[in-house]
Amino acid sequence: DAGVIQSPRHEVTEMGQEVTLRCKPISGHDYLFWYRQTMMRGLELLIYFNNNVPIDDSGMPEDRFSAKMPNASFSTLKIQPSEPRDSAVYFCASSLRLKKTEAFFGQGTRLTVV
Amino acid sequence: AQKVTQAQTEISVVEKEDVTLDCVYETRDTTYYLFWYKQPPSGELVFLIRRNSFDEQNEISGRYSWNFQKSTSSFNFTITASQVVDSAVYFCALSEENTGNQFYFGTGTSLTVIP
Repeated sequence: DAGVIQSPRHEVTEMGQEVTLRCKPISGHDYLFWYRQTMMRGLELLIYFNNNVPIDDSGMPEDRFSAKMPNASFSTLKIQPSEPRDSAVYFCASSLRLKKTEAFFGQGTRLTVV
Repeated sequence: AQKVTQAQTEISVVEKEDVTLDCVYETRDTTYYLFWYKQPPSGELVFLIRRNSFDEQNEISGRYSWNFQKSTSSFNFTITASQVVDSAVYFCALSEENTGNQFYFGTGTSLTVIP
């Protein structure tokens, strides 16, 4: 398997623009997570899905953030409008039967909002 | 309250030294899972090991070993004869069987191995 695939790897955008991050989980995995990593806050869970359904979005910082999983092989994280404080590395991860297996992470998207 | 504590923010060792990375966790579940991940300078998060709460047997994989002690709620990670390639940030994580469906990560320990 190719692992968790994220795109783009790097994104530079201007404040106020819409940003969409994409993730393809490992085939067959039923859990998908979006994390954000910053120096100040470390790894933060933003939202996770089980069988394409959002289960816990309490980590989503504010209404500017939204995530969707239209099918088992694709998820998006959207920020609209983006702000400089959104600059971070965003990771997508997937796992199989969460509580008994590890999560596998994508390579991350480094977002810079100027 | 922090569920996973990695008190060591940064560690530097000279190549070939042994180094232990500490991880202390907090949970009320009787069934839980512990993990270690490595994040090298390239940025990806690499899974290293998973441990179930009902299996306290320590594990060794090459130069890596893990010491799980439920009595002290610790899951420490030792690298023997460290190498420069071991330089990375290491994260400990917890997942609980009954109280939540997410992975709780520690703040990470940045390890630098000096040649």
